[in-house]
Amino acid sequence: DAGVTQSPTHLIKTRGQQVTLRCSPISGHKSVSWYQQVLGQGPQFIFQYYEKEERGRGNFPDRFSARQFPNYSSELNVNALLLGDSALYLCASSLRTYEQYFGPGTRLTVT
Amino acid sequence: GQQVMQIPQYQHVQEGEDFTTYCNSSTTLSNIQWYKQRPGGHPVFLIQLVKSGEVKKQKRLTFQFGEAKKNSSLHITATQTTDVGTYFCAGDGDSGAGSYQLTFGKGTKLSVIP
Repeated sequence: DAGVTQSPTHLIKTRGQQVTLRCSPISGHKSVSWYQQVLGQGPQFIFQYYEKEERGRGNFPDRFSARQFPNYSSELNVNALLLGDSALYLCASSLRTYEQYFGPGTRLTVT
Repeated sequence: GQQVMQIPQYQHVQEGEDFTTYCNSSTTLSNIQWYKQRPGGHPVFLIQLVKSGEVKKQKRLTFQFGEAKKNSSLHITATQTTDVGTYFCAGDGDSGAGSYQLTFGKGTKLSVIP
């Protein structure tokens, strides 16, 4: 079975631009979570969606938004990009409970 | 908000030596999870601990959850070069039914000298 997939792999944007990151969960997984990982730090929770509903939101500004589609794939949108948004963005899916399967991530660079 | 602290930040060991990383939460956790991230890779789930005082073993890895459910440890016996990577603990403070809002520690980066 395919694991969690994310696109694009790498992305370079300039300050003020908007970006959309995509995630496809493992087949059958209904929960998708998004994390931001800055170099040298642990992943920081941004959002969790389950059955297309937002179940959790981390301490991120309103510039960050997400949604989950009927096929359980998900998008993370970030508006008005700042230099500090440069990070690895990880998507994780889970069947219902705790074990989270992470995708390879999208490396976002804001210049 | 919930904070999860992990020490040490870095650990260099000779192959064959033991390794331990410690994790402490500012609040009581409903469960704690451990992940391993290889250089350039993504976090991979290792284990979840739920019960107070729980101890679980996976081959050379031993995981413990404290009695107060606020601290945990991961111990690796006789490290091998394949153990290289960053080990993260992640706490779930039980933010609500069906929600798994994990708070990760900063990780312990393990280097193994052959």
